[in-house]
Amino acid sequence: AQKITQTQPGMFVQEKEAVTLDCTYDTSDPSYGLFWYKQPSSGEMIFLIYQGSYDQQNATEGRYSLNFQKARKSANLVISASQLGDSAMYFCAMYRGNNDMRFGAGTRLTVKP
Amino acid sequence: DAGVIQSPRHEVTEMGQEVTLRCKPISGHNSLFWYRQTMMRGLELLIYFNNNVPIDDSGMPEDRFSAKMPNASFSTLKIQPSEPRDSAVYFCASSLAGLAGGKNIQYFGAGTRLSVL
Repeated sequence: AQKITQTQPGMFVQEKEAVTLDCTYDTSDPSYGLFWYKQPSSGEMIFLIYQGSYDQQNATEGRYSLNFQKARKSANLVISASQLGDSAMYFCAMYRGNNDMRFGAGTRLTVKP
Repeated sequence: DAGVIQSPRHEVTEMGQEVTLRCKPISGHNSLFWYRQTMMRGLELLIYFNNNVPIDDSGMPEDRFSAKMPNASFSTLKIQPSEPRDSAVYFCASSLAGLAGGKNIQYFGAGTRLSVL
């Protein structure tokens, strides 16, 4: 079965510190994409970062980076220099082609001042 | 650039009533998705369209749910008759499918929070 696992229901981090949100996936397809989305309390889903299965380098977007370990099938999100506005739900997702996108259960991140 | 636009943002209705949710995808995108989000089940894909054609509706819970995409800039999700268990946040998302490497980024609308009393 193809699935996405986020094992941390909730995480706390001190403002200005870095935090890692875990994501593991299971697929036998050689070609796939991995995504992270942020859902603040206002409810919208905001795309953060993308990693392709064939990408050699870890993806980075500003303070967001994706720690992609293909052999371990993990795609952890690293947020550096956390800000209060980073408090939100974070979802990991995997795209396998044919518009098949699967989402994890999410991790609620709380940034403490 | 305008993102995915959903309306209404909130809908409160009584059991048995018909509910219609609307979505305008990002201009130029050729794929459109309807999702439902609940605390119990998380994000579930209900149906998606490619070039206005429904491709996979296996996620639609039952016959009370129907979706249409009459043109590239508009889609509806209808629930008739609505039931309390349909209460959820419904998201519409669009993407430009067919990009190499699986970079099929889905951009979401703000969602419609549906409450069926």
